[in-house]
Amino acid sequence: DIQMTQSPTSLAASVGESVTITCLASEDIYGSLVWYQQKPGKSPQLLIYGATILEDGIPSRFSGSGSDTQYSLKINSLQPEDFASYYCQNGLSTPWTFGGGTKLELK
Amino acid sequence: EVQLVETGGGLVQPGRSLKLSCVASGFTFNNYWMSWTRQAPGKGLEWVASITNSGGSTYYPDSVKGRFTISRDNAQNTLYLQMNSLRSEDTATYYCTRDITIAAIGYYFDYWGQGVMVTVSS
Repeated sequence: DIQMTQSPTSLAASVGESVTITCLASEDIYGSLVWYQQKPGKSPQLLIYGATILEDGIPSRFSGSGSDTQYSLKINSLQPEDFASYYCQNGLSTPWTFGGGTKLELK
Repeated sequence: EVQLVETGGGLVQPGRSLKLSCVASGFTFNNYWMSWTRQAPGKGLEWVASITNSGGSTYYPDSVKGRFTISRDNAQNTLYLQMNSLRSEDTATYYCTRDITIAAIGYYFDYWGQGVMVTVSS
């Protein structure tokens, strides 16, 4: 199974700041990396797939990068609605595994 | 508008069974693979099962293989998850998802239902 390790597990930032969340796969996943956002009490929402492709309707302040085993999600100019949990997902092979999550909190 | 509405959750004793349903609307159901993913209280996401658009193939992680069965009724636009021999560690919110698979891009879950809570406890 492909293990997905996210860091940090939590992060405090202020509105307007930029933050980066990283995801490390236990083996090369050839860019098949997905990012989701989950707000408290809500279902996860797709942000980015294929490591860099922004889902329709997602603001351009979100961006993804990476290759092989190392991937990142960057959020520029944080907005109040961005404070949530973020998860990465292996999209290469079953079992579809997720990172443990990163909780982004308001400083 | 894509909608996925899960039902069937509740409190069940360890060792018993429960069947979840997910009614889909707003898209051509029989064109898409579908899945169930769960989230234990305060924890992360765990994929539980996937099924091809025809229902001809199914996939599970080891944690539920042999206990859970995913199925679908394309005529009724409904996805199911039959859960047998339930354990306390199966306690979670279960989400129904619509799946996308694209060569060289990967597999992902583009729409999620609101989730249904399953509690396994005596």
